Amino acid sequence: DAGVIQSPRHEVTEMGQEVTLRCKPISGHDYLFWYRQTMMRGLELLIYFNNNVPIDDSGMPEDRFSAKMPNASFSTLKIQPSEPRDSAVYFCASSMGQNHQPQHFGDGTRLSIL
Amino acid sequence: QKEVEQNSGPLSVPEGAIASLNCTYSDRGSQSFFWYRQYSGKSPELIMSIYSNGDKEDGRFTAQLNKASQYVSLLIRDSQPSDSATYLCAVNNFNKFYFGSGTKLNVKP
Repeated sequence: DAGVIQSPRHEVTEMGQEVTLRCKPISGHDYLFWYRQTMMRGLELLIYFNNNVPIDDSGMPEDRFSAKMPNASFSTLKIQPSEPRDSAVYFCASSMGQNHQPQHFGDGTRLSIL
Repeated sequence: QKEVEQNSGPLSVPEGAIASLNCTYSDRGSQSFFWYRQYSGKSPELIMSIYSNGDKEDGRFTAQLNKASQYVSLLIRDSQPSDSATYLCAVNNFNKFYFGSGTKLNVKP
């Protein structure tokens, strides 16, 4: 079975540019989560969706970050404009949502903002 | 207070020994508990889940849950160098997941 698919795997761009990260959840999973991981702050939940609807975006650091889920098989996380402090590994995860179901992670996008 | 607390380590054990990883959580309403393993440069990988008080065994791994003490642990028997990784404890409370900062485990040959 295909797992969570993220693209790109690596992204290097200059400060001020727009960055778009993409995620395809596991088919049949109705929850999708975006995380950011850094050495200093660990794994931080940014936003999560249920049935394509954003449920909690309290972890989104500021208005420069936005996320969408136009359908059950695709989500994007956008940063505009990007800043060096946004450099991190961004993970997407999905789950089936019933009680006791774990999250399954994609391979992540390693983002470097110069 | 963080939702999930873990000792960051590193925890060093010799090959063949038992590694014991611990985690405490703050919300008594938490429903399910997970251990993830994360190798350097990789994504977290689910290794154990536990929902009821007591022990749950899967191969060399045993998860232990004590809801009264709000405590979860992971035991790794016959530790191998390939077990060297960061172990993340995760707690699910009505589909809101909280992750600990992880414990780094080093298994020395």
